[in-house]
Amino acid sequence: DAMVIQNPRYQVTQFGKPVTLSCSQTLNHNVMYWYQQKSSQAPKLLFHYYDKDFNNEADTPDNFQSRRPNTSFCFLDIRSPGLGDAAMYLCATSGGQGFEAFFGQGTRLTVV
Amino acid sequence: AQTVTQSQPEMSVQEAETVTLSCTYDTSESDYYLFWYKQPPSRQMILVIRQEAYKQQNATENRFSVNFQKAAKSFSLKISDSQLGDAAMYFCAYTTGGSTLGRLYFGRGTQLTVWP
Repeated sequence: DAMVIQNPRYQVTQFGKPVTLSCSQTLNHNVMYWYQQKSSQAPKLLFHYYDKDFNNEADTPDNFQSRRPNTSFCFLDIRSPGLGDAAMYLCATSGGQGFEAFFGQGTRLTVV
Repeated sequence: AQTVTQSQPEMSVQEAETVTLSCTYDTSESDYYLFWYKQPPSRQMILVIRQEAYKQQNATENRFSVNFQKAAKSFSLKISDSQLGDAAMYFCAYTTGGSTLGRLYFGRGTQLTVWP
């Protein structure tokens, strides 16, 4: 089945050690999103790609970067994770304006 | 600023009864789309229902329907004949065209409990 896959499901990283989360999709959607979701809070949009165009939210820390090498894959890089970056990270895709977003199961990041 | 407000952090309903979840939003865009998403304890977010702002008719999907009041910027979700499987966190969300093309914003969510 077509879907959005996030790897790994659980990631433990050390304080300050760079970490990369990955997302792949078989939906051929042109929009890919990264959200940060902390416990009992709304998903917070970090950035999104519309095709190759990268769109950063104004309040996304510089510590968070993203790469989209092709339509199918998108990566979230956290250059120096802090304790406050521990959260669930959700990847989503969309066919464009007005279309529903399809979400992956998320990666739960723990920072020790 | 683009905002989505869900004023009910928690709601509960008896099985087979009806419950309404509230959502208001604020946007200066004229072209936008509204969504309700459900996030069960397994955490994968799934779409419940979608509404185009240019359509006056309220969207319905089986037991789920919306009351879309464009002038009031209100978008509530009604769940009829509630089932135990409806228990989840529900998020109201919207996406717009224009300067924020592609961005998808969420409210803080409403935790729905369904009692047998």
